[in-house]
Amino acid sequence: DAKTTQPTSMDCAEGRAANLPCNHSTISGNEYVYWYRQIHSQGPQYIIHGLKNNETNEMASLIITEDRKSSTLILPHATLRDTAVYYCIVGDNQGGKLIFGQGTELSVKP
Amino acid sequence: NAGVMQNPRHLVRRRGQEARLRCSPMKGHSHVYWYRQLPEEGLKFMVYLQKENIIDESGMPKERFSAEFPKEGPSILRIQQVVRGDSAAYFCASSPQVLRDEQYFGPGTRLTVT
Repeated sequence: DAKTTQPTSMDCAEGRAANLPCNHSTISGNEYVYWYRQIHSQGPQYIIHGLKNNETNEMASLIITEDRKSSTLILPHATLRDTAVYYCIVGDNQGGKLIFGQGTELSVKP
Repeated sequence: NAGVMQNPRHLVRRRGQEARLRCSPMKGHSHVYWYRQLPEEGLKFMVYLQKENIIDESGMPKERFSAEFPKEGPSILRIQQVVRGDSAAYFCASSPQVLRDEQYFGPGTRLTVT
């Protein structure tokens, strides 16, 4: 599985967009980009995933660069409840384990 | 649709006892995964099961740990002769048959070994 690199931590003002970057320069052509988050002490929560096209759902948007070597998760209007560790994971969508890195600790501040 | 259920939510065991952690996947999900999160550490994969089969146990310690997902009933993660280093949060996740990389996690079981 390809590895990902994320900043250790980020701050965001409440109500503003939170843009969380992820580098996955060794991603293979059949690998997807997944985002999960873990709010303190809770089970991880699936957010969104994509292959090459940008994706949007009720929680977030995922922007994947054309060369697929990096992506950005966008929370359009961050709230205090979005404070969490965000994980960018690459997988081939064939099932099996998720490999969690250290993620980005996002702090949304009033 | 109820989410992934885990019980107990908190479990205290003395060293040498057995711990049994249960996971009921979401309705219609036939894939179950177990992860462990040690204090102040990241999530680590332990085992992946389908009904009555272990698919990948590459993250499972070789001794004292076992997992099953029977045809009927919840998945069970069993830890025999627990030691203090087993103290952690254990998360179960499930996924539907098709989108297998989209996993839905339970609230976890916090195991404390005294």
